[in-house]
Amino acid sequence: DAKTTQPPSMDCAEGRAANLPCNHSTISGNEYVYWYRQIHSQGPQYIIHGLKNNETNEMASLIITEDRKSSTLILPHATLRDTAVYYCIVNVRNRDDKIIFGKGTRLHILP
Amino acid sequence: GAGVSQTPSNKVTEKGKYVELRCDPISGHTALYWYRQSLGQGPEFLIYFQGTGAADDSGLPNDRFFAVRPEGSVSTLKIQRTERGDSAVYLCASSLIGVPGTMRADTQYFGPGTRLTVL
Repeated sequence: DAKTTQPPSMDCAEGRAANLPCNHSTISGNEYVYWYRQIHSQGPQYIIHGLKNNETNEMASLIITEDRKSSTLILPHATLRDTAVYYCIVNVRNRDDKIIFGKGTRLHILP
Repeated sequence: GAGVSQTPSNKVTEKGKYVELRCDPISGHTALYWYRQSLGQGPEFLIYFQGTGAADDSGLPNDRFFAVRPEGSVSTLKIQRTERGDSAVYLCASSLIGVPGTMRADTQYFGPGTRLTVL
């Protein structure tokens, strides 16, 4: 079973910041938080990952709480192309392990 | 190619038939994964290869499902005596996990999937 809990769906206005929450209260000390997204009819796409520090890349920012029991993925200026299912996953980094997906959050960007 | 490719993109078959689904991973990627995704669900792990050998096949639902990767590159997922419940999108992913010093060594890159419909 997935070790994360996410809301099933969210709406966000185009141009605004989309903040997607994830709970992972049973995360282990050596597990990273990963985010993938899946646009309709495509395979999942890696977005970002982090251990305990906040991370930012060209796609998004990841904010992890100090106790590491939850995190938030931030898309700073959402566009219609960001409409997708977003998956929050915990996994040990750099280990050849399968990804256990939950149901994710379906993000709708509203024009 | 630049990414993971899967063929065919769509496959329609009849109950009881045999099907093969092909995955071409990113060149040089040693790890290859198969997942299955039913409507409204997240992808579900089936099998993982490191090189030519299946390192973890715990996700295969039963012995009708089998996968090979004979030369450590292309992989084929084989389904015998297909059932209507096998209808799903079959996703393949590859990664450089296990190769020291690689960038994004822990990222799995997914193909577009094969949509299998069993009538």
